[in-house]
Amino acid sequence: KNEVEQSPQNLTAQEGEFITINCSYSVGISALHWLQQHPGGGIVSLFMLSSGKKKHGRLIATINIQEKHSSLHITASHPRDSAVYICAAQGGSEKLVFGKGTKLTVNP
Amino acid sequence: ETGVTQSPTHLIKTRGQQVTLRCSSQSGHNTVSWYQQALGQGPQFIFQYYREEENGRGNFPPRFSGLQFPNYSSELNVNALELDDSALYLCASSLKAGIEAFFGQGTRLTVV
Repeated sequence: KNEVEQSPQNLTAQEGEFITINCSYSVGISALHWLQQHPGGGIVSLFMLSSGKKKHGRLIATINIQEKHSSLHITASHPRDSAVYICAAQGGSEKLVFGKGTKLTVNP
Repeated sequence: ETGVTQSPTHLIKTRGQQVTLRCSSQSGHNTVSWYQQALGQGPQFIFQYYREEENGRGNFPPRFSGLQFPNYSSELNVNALELDDSALYLCASSLKAGIEAFFGQGTRLTVV
């Protein structure tokens, strides 16, 4: 069993829909990262959070430390949001343990 | 644009050969981590360098080795390449271990 599990693996939405991607982790963490990876491979860091909630534009990330669960929400989704979204747990050793990613496709 | 540059972007090598991948970290960042991402999988931690010293290593054999230079740029070397080494190799730099990391675009290595 992976230390970091994401769901769903694949997600298809219509433009404008509200999207939620979930991440559960089994390790103790100092922080949880949400990352975006486009088809070319490059990764962009979206959020790094250790408690509560963070918002950036149409993106919202929440984390529940007690339940070891985090969610990434996208409001008013757009085709340019289509990408792979990856959560990564940062433990005491500071290395990142990644989930397998959620492939999001937003259709116009 | 994260300021982290990897070279080359694509590379094809033959089984048994050796390869060197390079990463220029964002200015001032003294910590570099390397990750291997196989197709359809999440990245896997290879190792981390902090101020030119290895600062943690994942479950990779010794033929994966690294180096960090005084300017904090870094190299990943893989000897005796195997077909399963075909993957996207990502480096990430941060000001210090434990804070937000910035990723490069990756080097896609194909071993034939």
